[in-house]
Amino acid sequence: GAVVSQHPSWVICKSGTSVKIECRSLDFQATTMFWYRQFPKQSLMLMATSNEGSKATYEQGVEKDKFLINHASLTLSTLTVTSAHPEDSSFYICSALDYEQYFGPGTRLTVT
Amino acid sequence: QQQVKQSPQSLIVQKGGISIINCAYENTAFDYFPWYQQFPGKGPALLIAIRPDVSEKKEGRFTISFNKSAKQFSLHIMDSQPGDSATYFCAAGGGYQKVTFGIGTKLQVIP
Repeated sequence: GAVVSQHPSWVICKSGTSVKIECRSLDFQATTMFWYRQFPKQSLMLMATSNEGSKATYEQGVEKDKFLINHASLTLSTLTVTSAHPEDSSFYICSALDYEQYFGPGTRLTVT
Repeated sequence: QQQVKQSPQSLIVQKGGISIINCAYENTAFDYFPWYQQFPGKGPALLIAIRPDVSEKKEGRFTISFNKSAKQFSLHIMDSQPGDSATYFCAAGGGYQKVTFGIGTKLQVIP
């Protein structure tokens, strides 16, 4: 099946710094990728839809200036959490669309 | 507004038993209904998906039943095994685009 990778798998950063998370489709090209966040024991909440070559579409309530998304190629989308704060600590998961939606393994972000 | 309602939130089943998870949706425009399995610390993995033109789809021990008029669909796991212990999410969406997830069901299969 289609494989999606994320890097890093976990990251710890200090409050006020920025963190970049990469999402790659390894064996297929994805025009569309999605970014989710998941708090412990909760469901996945869609943050934004990332389309290659165009601006991301953010869900209501998601700060586009805080969560910067860049989908520069058909196999790579990045999420940058700018000026991270402890409340941004979460599990961030991307998915790539190839007929079905395939998910990456997730990135655990801890902001201290 | 919770567009996809999932129940139960937790489920304990004996090994060899049938696990049943139910979901209901509100948006009649939804035409794609996937189920995902998630292990702790991992991303969700697609288990099985159905479209409203069929009422049932089976893949191995996993079966989706779909009731379009009631706007409900369910996942049945036959011969449940301890390795099936995970969190299961139903989801619904339009076409192959973004989906809305249910709240999740934590399944525990006990030996």
